[in-house]
Amino acid sequence: QKEVEQNSGPLSVPEGAIASLNCTYSDRGSQSFFWYRQYSGKSPELIMSIYSNGDKEDGRFTAQLNKASQYVSLLIRDSQPSDSATYLCAVKTSYDKVIFGPGTSLSVIP
Amino acid sequence: GAGVSQSPSNKVTEKGKDVELRCDPISGHTALYWYRQSLGQGLEFLIYFQGNSAPDKSGLPSDRFSAERTGGSVSTLTIQRTQQEDSAVYLCASSFPYNEQFFGPGTRLTVL
Repeated sequence: QKEVEQNSGPLSVPEGAIASLNCTYSDRGSQSFFWYRQYSGKSPELIMSIYSNGDKEDGRFTAQLNKASQYVSLLIRDSQPSDSATYLCAVKTSYDKVIFGPGTSLSVIP
Repeated sequence: GAGVSQSPSNKVTEKGKDVELRCDPISGHTALYWYRQSLGQGLEFLIYFQGNSAPDKSGLPSDRFSAERTGGSVSTLTIQRTQQEDSAVYLCASSFPYNEQFFGPGTRLTVL
C-alpha cells in the first residue's frame, strides 16, 4: 500500500460544477495535511493546510479531514477553467516526513 | 528574497558531465527539500535538510547524486557523470520545520 494515494484522473468537470479530489493515507499518526496545485510547467503552490477533523473553507476551496477514516479531500466550488491543473495531496507523517501523493489531474470544461 | 529561488532555470549538459544546481530558501526557513519531477510524473523526494544536516537522504537515486547545505541557507545539489535518465525538473522547497513547504521555480535539466 502506498503511503499517500489520490483518486486516479484525469477528472473532468463542467464549468460551475463542484470538483471533488480525494486522498487517503496509511500512517494513522499523521497530523498535518496539505493541498497543492501545480499548473503544467510550473512548480507546486500551496492551496490549503488542514490539521483538525472537519472542514476548512477558503474562498471556493474546502478541505475536509477525517482522521478516523484516514481521508482528506478538497472540494472546489464553482469550478473555473483556470482551476485546470494537477492537485497534489501531501501528508506529514508521524515520523516527521512529508509524503506527496501522485496527484490528480483536473480539467474544467467551459 | 520573497520566495525560494533556484538557479540556473535551465541547464543543458552532455552525458558524463557534472552539474550543480543551487537553491536559495526563504529567509528563516530551516528545513529544505529537493525533489525531482520527470515529465508527466509526480514528485520524487531526493533529500531533506534540517539546518545543515541531512537526516533523510533516502531518496537520492545513486551515489552520483549528492547535496550540501551551508550556513543553514543555500543548498547545492550535485549530479556527477550525468546520464540521460537524469533529465528532469529539479525542485527545491523550504519550510519551517514540519510546516507547509514553499517551492522554487525549479531547474530544468536536459542531458544530451
